[in-house]
Amino acid sequence: RKEVEQDPGPFNVPEGATVAFNCTYSNSASQSFFWYRQDCRKEPKLLMSVYSSGNEDGRFTAQLNRASQYISLLIRDSKLSDSATYLCAVPSGGSYIPTFGRGTSLIVHP
Amino acid sequence: DGGITQSPKYLFRKEGQNVTLSCEQNLNHDAMYWYRQDPGQGLRLIYYSQIVNDFQKGDIAEGYSVSREKKESFPLTVTSAQKNPTAFYLCASTGTGAYEQYFGPGTRLTVT
Repeated sequence: RKEVEQDPGPFNVPEGATVAFNCTYSNSASQSFFWYRQDCRKEPKLLMSVYSSGNEDGRFTAQLNRASQYISLLIRDSKLSDSATYLCAVPSGGSYIPTFGRGTSLIVHP
Repeated sequence: DGGITQSPKYLFRKEGQNVTLSCEQNLNHDAMYWYRQDPGQGLRLIYYSQIVNDFQKGDIAEGYSVSREKKESFPLTVTSAQKNPTAFYLCASTGTGAYEQYFGPGTRLTVT
């Protein structure tokens, strides 16, 4: 099993829709989790950090399921500007260095 | 403005030439990282440094070299030994005890 796995998508959704995608991780000792947003041909930018069960920031909610070892990212009321690739990053237990997933592509259309 | 800068944005080289990519940060971060990203792939760690004058190999260090003579700077040299150097190279940094990584704008290297 790969350390961090994501469905590459693309997820095609209309504006205003709610969309969620998951990231599974293999190291049960991991304590912190991160979602990054990467626009086409740009650098990743930190979107959300998750240190406990979840985190919410406006239209974005991240939830952690430790039993099943995955974190999810929920985007409500999708905007055209949400179109991007969303990368999941999980540091291994005891390390500050994250392993990145390959990313999930989201396309929001009018 | 605090941040990470990488230069140049685009770089073209002939096969067999070494090339050095610049990464500078003014965030006063201790740790710095170099990643490579290929189309449809995640970020793969090349080298990282947690303190000046010290660095460690990441998952794909072969064909690359780094130095960390100053806290602010972490240049990456892509040597002629790197078999497939064409890629998007990203530099990142983190503060002491922090997990969140902050990335530079990246350098697109094309080797022909």
